Amino acid sequence: EDQVTQSPEALRLQEGESSSLNCSYTVSGLRGLFWYRQDPGKGPEFLFTLYSAGEEKEKERLKATLTKKESFLHITAPKPEDSATYLCAVRTGANSKLTFGKGITLSVRP
Amino acid sequence: NAGVTQTPKFQVLKTGQSMTLQCAQDMNHEYMSWYRQDPGMGLRLIHYSVGAGITDQGEVPNGYNVSRSTTEDFPLRLLSAAPSQTSVYFCASSKGTASNEKLFFGSGTQLSVL
Repeated sequence: EDQVTQSPEALRLQEGESSSLNCSYTVSGLRGLFWYRQDPGKGPEFLFTLYSAGEEKEKERLKATLTKKESFLHITAPKPEDSATYLCAVRTGANSKLTFGKGITLSVRP
Repeated sequence: NAGVTQTPKFQVLKTGQSMTLQCAQDMNHEYMSWYRQDPGMGLRLIHYSVGAGITDQGEVPNGYNVSRSTTEDFPLRLLSAAPSQTSVYFCASSKGTASNEKLFFGSGTQLSVL
């Protein structure tokens, strides 16, 4: 059974304090690892897709990396508007099913 | 471009009542799916469809029915609501089922079953 574990469950940062969010996975045949951002009362919004170990993607203050067992979402010099829940998901198998982690709630204080 | 539209946004039901959560997308996406999100748990797949006329069960299908008569619409039916179905429900779609296809989510329906 595919498993996705995200840590920590919650993270509080001061504005400008860089950190990383972790997503570890146990799957058979990874077809893609996805990062989503979810704001309160809204649906998840796509951030990145990673496919193979060593791959990196960047968008503004966010950088996602992938190894054979885990992915990191690095946040550089975060701002209060980066406060959200960040979800990690893996795609395996022939169809489009995604298995999600429980998410990491990030709070950035001014 | 509306994307994925879910209605209603909020709903309160009594145990045993039935209802349909509506989902429509205007992106001509072949793949559509329903997830539920509960506190302390990840999004869990209820049902999905890879095209009109084709549906399949996800991780937590019991108590829910779906049909896909058109490409645009994918309603989720609760046959006899139970308190355990209190949750936030998200509809999501993607163009296809290839590895690089990302899901587009609706804004969710918050359902309370009393």
